[in-house]
Amino acid sequence: GAGVSQSPSNKVTEKGKDVELRCDPISGHTALYWYRQRLGQGLEFLIYFQGNSAPDKSGLPSDRFSAERTGESVSTLTIQRTQQEDSAVYLCASSFGTGRETQYFGPGTRLLVL
Amino acid sequence: AQSVTQPDIHITVSEGASLELRCNYSYGATPYLFWYVQSPGQGLQLLLKYFSGDTLVQGIKGFEAEFKRSQSSFNLRKPSVHWSDAAEYFCAVGPPGGGNKLTFGTGTQLKVEL
Repeated sequence: GAGVSQSPSNKVTEKGKDVELRCDPISGHTALYWYRQRLGQGLEFLIYFQGNSAPDKSGLPSDRFSAERTGESVSTLTIQRTQQEDSAVYLCASSFGTGRETQYFGPGTRLLVL
Repeated sequence: AQSVTQPDIHITVSEGASLELRCNYSYGATPYLFWYVQSPGQGLQLLLKYFSGDTLVQGIKGFEAEFKRSQSSFNLRKPSVHWSDAAEYFCAVGPPGGGNKLTFGTGTQLKVEL
């Protein structure tokens, strides 16, 4: 596709369940980012992948959060034992690399934990 | 740690009026600076960015922003607002060397009155 895609667009889950969120970056983009946007707040950086380098996980809020990326393509963000405070929009972005490259964002996955 | 402040949570302007959205940052050095726009149900779209050089930056949709080092500001402006500009606007900073994490402000919600 032409842009970053994310699925599902909406997810409702019960507290304690695990969820997986998917991101398909723009083809050829080596860098991939996950951000979280809570209601009324700006985006919080979660994790960053660049090529085959070890990911920068410094933004992950707890060990319940993890992410994987297959090569330079799809990424999955997993939240285990979801809590109500995990409710947010999860945004994925990709770029050609780092440096001055623009990050292009997907439409996000809106997660609601009941 | 770096931070971005957008002091105006909501702004309402009449169509055709001028617009200025404020952004102040705190950073150890001159960062890379960005403005993104988020329309309902859409991902974030880059309006413009500043890396170096001319401090007045032109972007898409008739927007411009001016970097003022002395004030640590990067305010977004538009001479004449259109109803379609109603959206949420985010200022963001990235590390001077370029690269991964962007730090976002909390956003300014723009309402346009017809």
